[in-house]
Amino acid sequence: DIQMTQSPSSLSASVGDRVTITCRASQSISTYLNWYQQKPGKAPNLLIYAASSLQSGVPSRFSGSGSGTEFTLTITSLQPEDFAIYYCQQSSSTLSITFGQGTRLEIK
Amino acid sequence: EVQLVESGGGLVQPGGSLRLSCAASGFTFSSFEMNWVRQAPGKGLEWISYISSSVNTMHYADSVKGRFTISRDNAKNSLYLQMNSLRAEDTAVYYCARVYTSSSPYYYYYYMDVWGKGTTVTVSS
Repeated sequence: DIQMTQSPSSLSASVGDRVTITCRASQSISTYLNWYQQKPGKAPNLLIYAASSLQSGVPSRFSGSGSGTEFTLTITSLQPEDFAIYYCQQSSSTLSITFGQGTRLEIK
Repeated sequence: EVQLVESGGGLVQPGGSLRLSCAASGFTFSSFEMNWVRQAPGKGLEWISYISSSVNTMHYADSVKGRFTISRDNAKNSLYLQMNSLRAEDTAVYYCARVYTSSSPYYYYYYMDVWGKGTTVTVSS
């Protein structure tokens, strides 16, 4: 299976900050990488697909980049509603989809 | 409104069985592949099973292979997960998720764009 590792595991930031979350794959996955946001007690919500494409309805302060084994999710000008857990997910091996362990974004 | 609604969760003893359902509405269910994803208490997301739109291909995570069976009834717009030989480590919220796929010589998309709210399975004596 392709292992996905996110860093950091948790992050404290303030409203208005710019934050970056990194996701690394154990082997090259081209741009077959998606990002999800999950708030407490809620289902995950798709933010970014194919590494850098913004899902419809997602604010433009969210962006993604990367290819191969290293990817980033950037949130510019953090809003109160952005404090959540973020997961990356690879779709290179659809026989065995894998997620990163998650990054908890907390209010400083 | 595009919607997925899971049901069938509950408390079951170790070794027992449970069948989860996922009712789809607001889109052409038969055109989409589907996944089940679970989340143990306080843990991350774990993909557990996939089924193709035409029901001819299924995949399973090693953690559930041989115990869980995914199926669907396109006429009823429903997805199912039959769970047998349940273990304490199967305790989780189970989500069904619609898979969007698209490809060309220049791109390939595979992502889960619609999720249900989840149903809770607790395996305990």
